[in-house]
Amino acid sequence: AQSVTQPDIHITVSEGASLELRCNYSYGATPYLFWYVQSPGQGLQLLLKYFSGDTLVQGIKGFEAEFKRSQSSFNLRKPSVHWSDAAEYFCAVAPNNNDMRFGAGTRLTVKP
Amino acid sequence: GAGVSQSPRYKVAKRGQDVALRCDPISGHVSLFWYQQALGQGPEFLTYFQNEAQLDKSGLPSDRFFAERPEGSVSTLKIQRTQQEDSAVYLCASSLGEVHSPLHFGNGTRLTVT
Repeated sequence: AQSVTQPDIHITVSEGASLELRCNYSYGATPYLFWYVQSPGQGLQLLLKYFSGDTLVQGIKGFEAEFKRSQSSFNLRKPSVHWSDAAEYFCAVAPNNNDMRFGAGTRLTVKP
Repeated sequence: GAGVSQSPRYKVAKRGQDVALRCDPISGHVSLFWYQQALGQGPEFLTYFQNEAQLDKSGLPSDRFFAERPEGSVSTLKIQRTQQEDSAVYLCASSLGEVHSPLHFGNGTRLTVT
């Protein structure tokens, strides 16, 4: 069965520091992977997605993620965090949309 | 150009009451999804429509939950005889329906059952 694990429930970084949010998946075939961001009281916004090809994918707001098949990981990164990046981040895996499974999320706090 | 719209934004229901949650998808989006997001958790899949056809309802937690999309546009999620464990944010998402089309989420309805 497909599943997604986000090991870090809460991460705090200083503004301007780099960020990496971890995501591990369990899926028997080539996975389709996504990162979404959710601000308080808002719906989820797609940051980026990986379907195939180049394992380093670029997303919106300066985010990128790298697919590593050998580690079953799809970690999200940003070189320099802004205060507006404080939110909840969800990794998701899906063979097609109606089977999309989300991780439990990582809450990001940004210190001034 | 509007996004996915959900109403109401907040709903408080007494245990045992019936509630109806509405979702207006983006115009032209054929696929519509409902998710349940408990506090501190990721969204959990409830059900999925392709136009007016409900293709997957495997995520509905009990027969108290019912969803419909009669004309292939607006959808309603109905919960009968609400229980405290139904308290959650209910998210609606829509997409163009092509494989790997991105999901566009509404802001959700926060249901509190007292």
